[in-house]
Amino acid sequence: LAKTTQPISMDSYEGQEVNITCSHNNIATNDYITWYQQFPSQGPRFIIQGYKTKVTNEVASLFIPADRKSSTLSLPRVSLSDTAVYYCLVGGPNTGGFKTIFGAGTRLFVKA
Amino acid sequence: EAGVAQSPRYKIIEKRQSVAFWCNPISGHATLYWYQQILGQGPKLLIQFQNNGVVDDSQLPKDRFSAERLKGVDSTLKIQPAKLEDSAVYLCASSLGSLPTDTQYFGPGTRLTVL
Repeated sequence: LAKTTQPISMDSYEGQEVNITCSHNNIATNDYITWYQQFPSQGPRFIIQGYKTKVTNEVASLFIPADRKSSTLSLPRVSLSDTAVYYCLVGGPNTGGFKTIFGAGTRLFVKA
Repeated sequence: EAGVAQSPRYKIIEKRQSVAFWCNPISGHATLYWYQQILGQGPKLLIQFQNNGVVDDSQLPKDRFSAERLKGVDSTLKIQPAKLEDSAVYLCASSLGSLPTDTQYFGPGTRLTVL
C-alpha cells in the first residue's frame, strides 16, 4: 500500500487559505485519496475524497495532479475551529475489501 | 442518524489485567474497524470486519488482543493481559461497504491507561 508523507505541522491565521500537501509516490492505479480531520478527544471525521483532478465540497477542495503522486487539501478562509490534525490516506484493495492507512498527519494551528 | 457508539469512554487498569471495549456501528454498515491511536500518532488499523468475517487482522497482536463481531453488528475488542505499551485510544469505525468511496465514520474512542 502506498505510504503518505505530510508536513508535521503548520501555522496559519484566521481568514487565510491553508494548503496541506501530501506526497504519495507509490500510489496504485485503483487507489483513492481521502482526507480526514481529527479534533482532540474525538475520532477522525471525513473531509473529502478524490481520484484525480479537482474535487470541491462545502468544506474543502482537493487538488490532484495528473501523475497522482501528490495531493493538496485546500481549506478556504480558516477559522480557529479548524485547528486540528489532518490526515491524508491513500487506500487500495485488500483481501475482501479496501484498506486505508493513516499516517502521522499534519497538525494545523490557526491563530487569531 | 445515530453515530458509532463506544463504551467505556475511559478505562484505567494495571498491567497484566484484562479489558474489553464495545462498539456499536451505524445501523446497516457492513464494515467495522478497530484502530489503536497512540498519543501523537495516527490511528493504526488493528482489525477490519466485513459483516462478521475478518478481512484484515495483520496488525493485531494476536497473543494478547482478540476481537469478535457476532451477528455482524456490534463488536468487542479484548486485551488480555494488558501491557504498559497498550495505553492508547481505541477507535471503532464503520462504513457502509468496503469500497474506496465508502466513508469511515468514527466513534469517540475509548482511552485506555495501563499502569
